[in-house]
Amino acid sequence: AQKVTQTQTSISVMEKTTVTMDCVYETQDSSYFLFWYKQTASGEIVFLIRQDSYKKENATVGHYSLNFQKPKSSIGLIITATQIEDSAVYFCAMKGAGGYKVVFGSGTRLLVSP
Amino acid sequence: EAAVTQSPRNKVTVTGGNVTLSCRQTNSHNYMYWYRQDTGHGLRLIHYSYGAGNLQIGDVPDGYKATRTTQEDFFLLLELASPSQTSLYFCASSDGTGRVDTQYFGPGTRLLVL
Repeated sequence: AQKVTQTQTSISVMEKTTVTMDCVYETQDSSYFLFWYKQTASGEIVFLIRQDSYKKENATVGHYSLNFQKPKSSIGLIITATQIEDSAVYFCAMKGAGGYKVVFGSGTRLLVSP
Repeated sequence: EAAVTQSPRNKVTVTGGNVTLSCRQTNSHNYMYWYRQDTGHGLRLIHYSYGAGNLQIGDVPDGYKATRTTQEDFFLLLELASPSQTSLYFCASSDGTGRVDTQYFGPGTRLLVL
């Protein structure tokens, strides 16, 4: 069975700094996909970025990037130059390549202060 | 135009009551999902479906039924609601035809069972 663990329940940072959120996963699948989603204060959940397990290069989208360490089953989310509007709950998730079920972590709440 | 909509947005019922949560997607996606979100647990999969008439069991299905009547519509049924089912419920859709399978979420339905 797949499992996703986010041990950081909340993080507080100052605006314009860089933050890293941790995520570790467990899977028996040889090929899989890892995702990060953001839940805003209004409750809206949106997709941010994904990493394919067979790709060695870390994914980057805007000021979001990933730190994929496959031997450690780890996929960290890095947000550079944080902004107030980055304050949200961030979920890590994974999906096996052959299935359609997505498993989510418990989330990390990020607070960005001015 | 929101591609995944849910109704009602808020619902209060009593223990033993009958509740139906509705979800409609206009993404032409094959897959639809029902999740519940509770503090400390993140998003947990209740049921999902890959097309009209199909139903797959998720990770926390007890006490819930679901029905997919069309490609667009997916319903979650609580026939004998219990206080433990008080939660925030999200519906999501994904195309399921490619490798990406990014999920698109509805705005959520907050359910209170008294």
